[in-house]
Amino acid sequence: KNEVEQSPQNLTAQEGEFITINCSYSVGISALHWLQQHPGGGIVSLFMLSSGKKKHGRLIATINIQEKHSSLHITASHPRDSAVYICAIGGSQGNLIFGKGTKLSVKP
Amino acid sequence: GAVVSQHPSRVICKSGTSVKIECRSLDFQATTMFWYRQFPKQSLMLMATSNEGSKATYEQGVEKDKFLINHASLTLSTLTVTSAHPEDSSFYICSASGITLALSSYNEQFFGPGTRLTVL
Repeated sequence: KNEVEQSPQNLTAQEGEFITINCSYSVGISALHWLQQHPGGGIVSLFMLSSGKKKHGRLIATINIQEKHSSLHITASHPRDSAVYICAIGGSQGNLIFGKGTKLSVKP
Repeated sequence: GAVVSQHPSRVICKSGTSVKIECRSLDFQATTMFWYRQFPKQSLMLMATSNEGSKATYEQGVEKDKFLINHASLTLSTLTVTSAHPEDSSFYICSASGITLALSSYNEQFFGPGTRLTVL
């Protein structure tokens, strides 16, 4: 079993829709990361969180440490949000352990 | 956030040649750099962890003599793929963290833009 499970794997939405991507993990963590990977491959760190909720623009990330679950929400989605969203948790060496990603496609 | 650059962004080489990929932290001192590899439609997998001034720690299954990592300064780490083969074709991405950027006991990581290697 993977340590980090994401759902859904693929998601297609219409512009303006509210989007939720889920992440479950199986080990204790100090922090969880949400990353965005664009088609060219570059990765941008969206959030690092260890409890509660963080908001940045139209993006909201929540985490429930007891349930080992995190969600990434996108409000008023836009085609430019189309990317792969990756959940990652910290490994023992400070490295990250990645989920397989959720490919989001937002149609105009 | 802090900026990490990688060079080159894309490289095509012949089988048997060596390729060097540079990862630089532009505006902070990176005490630790991580090298990841991503095959198509796969998640990123850690190859090795390098701390400035010491030997890299390689993940199981990653050949240290094939993937040479040097982290000689606080702003530069290099990954050299020696005697490259077509199966080494992949997307290589580095990330960097530094103690000056720690927001908690967990160091935030900043990613380079990646290098796409194609071995013919």
